[in-house]
Amino acid sequence: SAVISQKPSRDICQRGTSLTIQCQVDSQVTMMFWYRQQPGQSLTLIATANQGSEATYESGFVIDKFPISRPNLTFSTLTVSNMSPEDSSIYLCSVRTGDLAYEQYFGPGTRLTVT
Amino acid sequence: GNSVTQMEGPVTLSEEAFLTINCTYTATGYPSLFWYVQYPGEGLQLLLKATKADDKGSNKGFEATYRKETTSFHLEKGSVQVSDSAVYFCALRKGSGGSNYKLTFGKGTLLTVNP
Repeated sequence: SAVISQKPSRDICQRGTSLTIQCQVDSQVTMMFWYRQQPGQSLTLIATANQGSEATYESGFVIDKFPISRPNLTFSTLTVSNMSPEDSSIYLCSVRTGDLAYEQYFGPGTRLTVT
Repeated sequence: GNSVTQMEGPVTLSEEAFLTINCTYTATGYPSLFWYVQYPGEGLQLLLKATKADDKGSNKGFEATYRKETTSFHLEKGSVQVSDSAVYFCALRKGSGGSNYKLTFGKGTLLTVNP
């Protein structure tokens, strides 16, 4: 299993600013993922962050808006840049512990409100 | 593409009532199917899974059967408790490993159980 913590747990930010969300895992993992959960919507995968390589972004998400770092096997950050109210969401970090493992673990999420 | 449709919430039940949360999916091939649960203030947790047709996943009194003929994976519990109050997400994943790691989620169903 994996225990995931995220910081901050919530924040209220001004339009045009940026916020960096941290994700810490209690064990080394190969694959880390960042999801967005907009109000009343399902979870949407933003990108996959593998250590030692550039993050892979899903359609509709770009690196300039959501830069990701993955400096080691237990840590990642997601930055939400030049925020607008449409970025108000819950952002979740997730990990998978093995290529064939079915279980995917999720952090508690960061609730972001942009005013 | 892949998609998951689950019943709209919120669902409100009395303790010891029977629970059904419907979930249907659209996917090519043979996806793996999951139910995740998110308790207040916590991250998503895997509740149960099924990886092939007619498999039944079960955990904590919850059950779901993979029905390929109806492309469904309905969640059931015979007698709910107040502690079951949470948001429930149905999800699918194509394949069993390698690059087929992306989870596709439904919108989630909020369950409230009253004493």
